[in-house]
Amino acid sequence: QQPVQSPQAVILREGEDAVINCSSSKALYSVHWYRQKHGEAPVFLMILLKGGEQKGHEKISASFNEKKQQSSLYLTASQLSYSGTYFCGTDTHSGAGSYQLTFGKGTKLSVIP
Amino acid sequence: DTGVSQNPRHKITKRGQNVTFRCDPISEHNRLYWYRQTLGQGPEFLTYFQNEAQLEKSRLLSDRFSAERPKGSFSTLEIQRTEQGDSAMYLCASSPGGWVNTEAFFGQGTRLTVV
Repeated sequence: QQPVQSPQAVILREGEDAVINCSSSKALYSVHWYRQKHGEAPVFLMILLKGGEQKGHEKISASFNEKKQQSSLYLTASQLSYSGTYFCGTDTHSGAGSYQLTFGKGTKLSVIP
Repeated sequence: DTGVSQNPRHKITKRGQNVTFRCDPISEHNRLYWYRQTLGQGPEFLTYFQNEAQLEKSRLLSDRFSAERPKGSFSTLEIQRTEQGDSAMYLCASSPGGWVNTEAFFGQGTRLTVV
């Protein structure tokens, strides 16, 4: 089942912070975050694994609450380059054989000067 | 390494025609995925290859769709007898390992318009 992202859209001024949430109705083994700019490929931001391990970019942080089946992406001191649509992809299969991510509908982030 | 390459970038076809898309993954990535994305939606999983073996297909992938990855290198996605509902962006991604702890690299996609 598709994870639910909130908010659907947000407008920020440069320097402001934002939080994007992703929640699932199924138990999660990992959550993946991607950013997509208009007409471009989705670009990897972060993986959060069950058990607390994180892999991703230094300037972006995220949390993963396994009990609540939720993840949040934290964007601090936003820059114009942060604009785009953010997708969370959830992995509800266990083990290294996992091969399918289910993506949410996305959160459109616009950063203005 | 130039990343994941998809061709063509755009394809306009008449309803009922067959189309084929190509994906060249990052070399040495043994895993390859096809996703479909429509306007305002996130990518939807279509199929997955590990090397040349197609290990999973979504129920979204009707009989009109077929994908191959001969020799475990590039992959093709063919749609037969296209319908207007097939209009979408078709994305390919590759990774050196499974989704669990490995990032996937997406191509820029092939935008299909069925008229």
